[in-house]
Amino acid sequence: AQSVTQLGSHVSVSEGALVLLRCNYSSSVPPYLFWYVQYPNQGLQLLLKYTSAATLVKGINGFEAEFKKSETSFHLTKPSAHMSDAAEYFCAVSALNQAAGNKLTFGGGTRVLVKP
Amino acid sequence: GAGVSQSPSNKVTEKGKDVELRCDPISGHTALYWYRQSLGQGLEFLIYFQGNSAPDKSGLPSDRFSAERTGGSVSTLTIQRTQQEDSAVYLCASSSGDGVYEQYFGPGTRLTVT
Repeated sequence: AQSVTQLGSHVSVSEGALVLLRCNYSSSVPPYLFWYVQYPNQGLQLLLKYTSAATLVKGINGFEAEFKKSETSFHLTKPSAHMSDAAEYFCAVSALNQAAGNKLTFGGGTRVLVKP
Repeated sequence: GAGVSQSPSNKVTEKGKDVELRCDPISGHTALYWYRQSLGQGLEFLIYFQGNSAPDKSGLPSDRFSAERTGGSVSTLTIQRTQQEDSAVYLCASSSGDGVYEQYFGPGTRLTVT
Protein backbone atom coordinates (compact mmCIF):
# COMPACT_ATOMS: atom_id res chain seq x y z
CA ALA A 1 0.00 0.00 0.00
CA GLN A 2 1.12 3.53 -0.65
CA SER A 3 0.28 6.88 0.88
CA VAL A 4 1.32 10.50 0.62
CA THR A 5 1.22 13.19 3.27
CA GLN A 6 1.52 16.86 2.44
CA LEU A 7 2.25 19.04 5.43
CA GLY A 8 0.23 22.21 5.36
CA SER A 9 -2.98 22.53 3.41
CA HIS A 10 -2.30 26.24 2.87
CA VAL A 11 0.97 28.10 2.42
CA SER A 12 1.36 31.85 2.07
CA VAL A 13 4.56 33.31 0.62
CA SER A 14 5.67 36.74 -0.46
CA GLU A 15 6.54 37.38 -4.07
CA GLY A 16 10.24 36.71 -4.51
CA ALA A 17 10.49 34.50 -1.43
CA LEU A 18 11.34 30.82 -1.29
CA VAL A 19 8.54 28.37 -1.91
CA LEU A 20 8.81 25.11 0.06
CA LEU A 21 6.08 22.49 -0.10
CA ARG A 22 6.56 19.35 1.96
CA CYS A 23 5.71 15.83 0.88
CA ASN A 24 6.35 12.55 2.67
CA TYR A 25 5.45 9.19 1.22
CA SER A 26 5.03 5.63 2.31
CA SER A 27 5.62 2.81 -0.14
CA SER A 28 6.43 -0.88 0.17
CA VAL A 29 8.28 -0.83 -3.14
CA PRO A 30 10.65 1.69 -4.73
CA PRO A 31 8.39 4.59 -5.51
CA TYR A 32 7.92 6.87 -8.43
CA LEU A 33 7.07 10.36 -7.22
CA PHE A 34 5.36 13.29 -8.90
CA TRP A 35 4.36 16.86 -8.28
CA TYR A 36 1.33 18.27 -10.07
CA VAL A 37 -0.09 21.79 -10.12
CA GLN A 38 -3.75 22.68 -10.51
CA TYR A 39 -4.94 26.14 -11.43
CA PRO A 40 -8.57 27.08 -10.72
CA ASN A 41 -11.09 25.17 -12.81
CA GLN A 42 -8.38 23.32 -14.67
CA GLY A 43 -6.98 19.82 -14.71
CA LEU A 44 -3.65 18.83 -13.24
CA GLN A 45 -0.35 19.64 -14.93
CA LEU A 46 2.84 17.72 -14.26
CA LEU A 47 5.61 19.83 -12.71
CA LEU A 48 8.23 17.11 -12.33
CA LYS A 49 8.75 13.43 -11.62
CA TYR A 50 11.26 11.16 -9.90
CA THR A 51 11.82 7.79 -11.55
CA SER A 52 14.90 6.46 -9.74
CA ALA A 53 17.48 8.39 -11.74
CA ALA A 54 18.93 11.60 -10.27
CA THR A 55 17.63 12.40 -6.81
CA LEU A 56 17.43 16.12 -7.56
CA VAL A 57 14.78 16.63 -10.17
CA LYS A 58 14.22 19.86 -12.06
CA GLY A 59 10.83 20.66 -13.48
CA ILE A 60 8.95 23.37 -15.26
CA ASN A 61 8.48 26.96 -14.09
CA GLY A 62 11.67 26.91 -12.00
CA PHE A 63 10.53 24.21 -9.58
CA GLU A 64 12.70 21.38 -8.34
CA ALA A 65 12.38 18.55 -5.85
CA GLU A 66 14.80 16.30 -4.05
CA PHE A 67 14.15 12.63 -3.33
CA LYS A 68 15.48 11.61 0.09
CA LYS A 69 14.99 7.93 0.71
CA SER A 70 16.19 8.09 4.33
CA GLU A 71 13.56 10.69 5.12
CA THR A 72 10.90 9.28 2.73
CA SER A 73 10.48 12.82 1.47
CA PHE A 74 10.09 14.57 -1.85
CA HIS A 75 9.81 18.26 -1.02
CA LEU A 76 9.15 20.81 -3.76
CA THR A 77 11.00 24.12 -3.87
CA LYS A 78 11.27 27.25 -5.95
CA PRO A 79 13.83 29.90 -5.04
CA SER A 80 11.70 32.92 -5.88
CA ALA A 81 7.90 32.91 -5.90
CA HIS A 82 5.98 34.60 -8.69
CA MET A 83 2.38 35.71 -8.58
CA SER A 84 1.59 33.12 -11.25
CA ASP A 85 2.62 30.34 -8.82
CA ALA A 86 -0.61 30.78 -6.89
CA ALA A 87 -2.34 27.42 -7.33
CA GLU A 88 -2.87 24.09 -5.62
CA TYR A 89 -0.02 21.59 -5.62
CA PHE A 90 -0.33 17.85 -5.30
CA CYS A 91 2.33 15.30 -4.51
CA ALA A 92 1.68 11.79 -5.81
CA VAL A 93 3.25 8.35 -5.70
CA SER A 94 2.89 5.31 -7.93
CA ALA A 95 4.21 1.78 -7.72
CA LEU A 96 4.11 1.10 -11.43
CA ASN A 97 3.23 -2.47 -12.19
CA GLN A 98 1.74 -4.29 -15.13
CA ALA A 99 -1.68 -4.56 -13.57
CA ALA A 100 -2.16 -1.02 -12.36
CA GLY A 101 0.00 0.92 -14.75
CA ASN A 102 0.93 4.27 -13.37
CA LYS A 103 -2.01 4.59 -10.97
CA LEU A 104 -1.38 7.62 -8.80
CA THR A 105 -2.00 8.01 -5.08
CA PHE A 106 -2.25 11.70 -4.22
CA GLY A 107 -1.60 13.74 -1.13
CA GLY A 108 -4.23 16.11 0.17
CA GLY A 109 -2.83 19.09 -1.70
CA THR A 110 -1.31 22.42 -0.64
CA ARG A 111 -2.86 25.67 -1.75
CA VAL A 112 -0.25 28.38 -2.32
CA LEU A 113 -1.07 32.04 -1.93
CA VAL A 114 1.48 34.56 -3.19
CA LYS A 115 1.40 37.99 -1.60
CA PRO A 116 2.68 41.01 -3.53
CA GLY B 1 -2.39 19.45 -30.57
CA ALA B 2 -5.64 18.72 -28.79
CA GLY B 3 -5.47 17.73 -25.17
CA VAL B 4 -7.77 15.53 -23.14
CA SER B 5 -11.34 16.74 -23.34
CA GLN B 6 -14.24 15.95 -21.04
CA SER B 7 -17.93 16.56 -21.33
CA PRO B 8 -20.03 17.97 -19.91
CA SER B 9 -17.98 20.49 -17.97
CA ASN B 10 -20.76 20.76 -15.40
CA LYS B 11 -23.61 18.43 -14.60
CA VAL B 12 -26.37 18.95 -12.07
CA THR B 13 -28.61 15.97 -11.46
CA GLU B 14 -31.23 14.88 -9.00
CA LYS B 15 -30.52 12.17 -6.49
CA GLY B 16 -31.40 8.78 -7.92
CA LYS B 17 -30.80 9.67 -11.55
CA ASP B 18 -28.13 8.08 -13.74
CA VAL B 19 -25.35 10.17 -15.29
CA GLU B 20 -22.76 9.58 -18.00
CA LEU B 21 -19.47 11.43 -18.12
CA ARG B 22 -17.36 11.35 -21.26
CA CYS B 23 -13.62 11.49 -21.79
CA ASP B 24 -11.79 11.94 -25.10
CA PRO B 25 -8.12 11.10 -24.57
CA ILE B 26 -5.22 12.39 -26.60
CA SER B 27 -5.09 10.57 -29.92
CA GLY B 28 -2.78 7.57 -29.78
CA HIS B 29 -2.67 7.34 -26.00
CA THR B 30 -3.24 3.76 -24.95
CA ALA B 31 -3.64 4.32 -21.21
CA LEU B 32 -6.65 6.08 -19.71
CA TYR B 33 -7.39 6.83 -16.06
CA TRP B 34 -10.38 8.20 -14.18
CA TYR B 35 -9.92 10.02 -10.87
CA ARG B 36 -12.36 11.74 -8.54
CA GLN B 37 -11.65 14.96 -6.67
CA SER B 38 -13.91 15.75 -3.74
CA LEU B 39 -13.68 17.91 -0.65
CA GLY B 40 -13.93 15.00 1.71
CA GLN B 41 -11.74 12.44 -0.03
CA GLY B 42 -9.26 14.51 -2.02
CA LEU B 43 -8.00 13.07 -5.29
CA GLU B 44 -8.60 9.34 -5.65
CA PHE B 45 -8.10 6.80 -8.39
CA LEU B 46 -11.20 5.16 -9.84
CA ILE B 47 -10.33 3.00 -12.86
CA TYR B 48 -7.55 2.35 -15.38
CA PHE B 49 -7.68 1.14 -18.99
CA GLN B 50 -4.66 -0.02 -20.96
CA GLY B 51 -5.10 -1.13 -24.54
CA ASN B 52 -7.20 -4.27 -24.80
CA SER B 53 -6.38 -5.49 -21.29
CA ALA B 54 -9.04 -5.92 -18.65
CA PRO B 55 -9.45 -2.63 -16.78
CA ASP B 56 -8.26 -2.15 -13.22
CA LYS B 57 -11.50 -1.31 -11.40
CA SER B 58 -10.04 -1.42 -7.92
CA GLY B 59 -10.83 2.23 -7.16
CA LEU B 60 -14.52 2.22 -8.01
CA PRO B 61 -16.34 3.08 -4.75
CA SER B 62 -19.46 1.00 -5.35
CA ASP B 63 -21.22 -1.12 -7.94
CA ARG B 64 -23.19 1.96 -8.99
CA PHE B 65 -20.06 3.08 -10.79
CA SER B 66 -18.97 1.58 -14.09
CA ALA B 67 -16.84 2.63 -17.03
CA GLU B 68 -16.13 1.49 -20.51
CA ARG B 69 -13.71 2.41 -23.21
CA THR B 70 -14.84 1.89 -26.76
CA GLY B 71 -12.38 1.20 -29.54
CA GLY B 72 -9.47 1.97 -27.29
CA SER B 73 -10.31 5.66 -27.38
CA VAL B 74 -13.31 7.42 -25.86
CA SER B 75 -14.31 6.42 -22.34
CA THR B 76 -17.59 6.84 -20.52
CA LEU B 77 -17.97 6.78 -16.74
CA THR B 78 -21.51 5.93 -15.66
CA ILE B 79 -22.93 6.50 -12.22
CA GLN B 80 -26.28 4.87 -11.54
CA ARG B 81 -28.78 6.01 -8.90
CA THR B 82 -26.63 9.00 -7.97
CA GLN B 83 -26.23 9.97 -4.33
CA GLN B 84 -25.24 13.30 -2.82
CA GLU B 85 -21.85 11.89 -1.85
CA ASP B 86 -21.13 11.38 -5.55
CA SER B 87 -20.84 15.16 -5.95
CA ALA B 88 -17.26 15.80 -7.02
CA VAL B 89 -15.05 16.73 -9.94
CA TYR B 90 -14.35 13.72 -12.13
CA LEU B 91 -10.98 13.92 -13.88
CA CYS B 92 -9.81 11.87 -16.81
CA ALA B 93 -6.16 11.43 -17.78
CA SER B 94 -4.40 9.67 -20.61
CA SER B 95 -0.82 8.66 -21.25
CA SER B 96 1.12 7.12 -24.07
CA GLY B 97 1.79 3.80 -22.39
CA ASP B 98 1.70 1.74 -19.26
CA GLY B 99 5.08 2.92 -18.05
CA VAL B 100 5.97 5.97 -16.04
CA TYR B 101 4.74 8.30 -18.70
CA GLU B 102 3.24 11.68 -18.02
CA GLN B 103 -0.48 11.60 -17.47
CA TYR B 104 -2.25 14.42 -19.25
CA PHE B 105 -5.35 15.51 -17.42
CA GLY B 106 -8.56 16.89 -18.79
CA PRO B 107 -10.35 19.87 -17.19
CA GLY B 108 -12.80 17.62 -15.40
CA THR B 109 -16.55 17.33 -15.07
CA ARG B 110 -18.08 18.93 -12.01
CA LEU B 111 -20.98 16.77 -10.86
CA THR B 112 -23.51 18.13 -8.41
CA VAL B 113 -26.19 15.82 -7.05
CA THR B 114 -29.13 17.67 -5.49
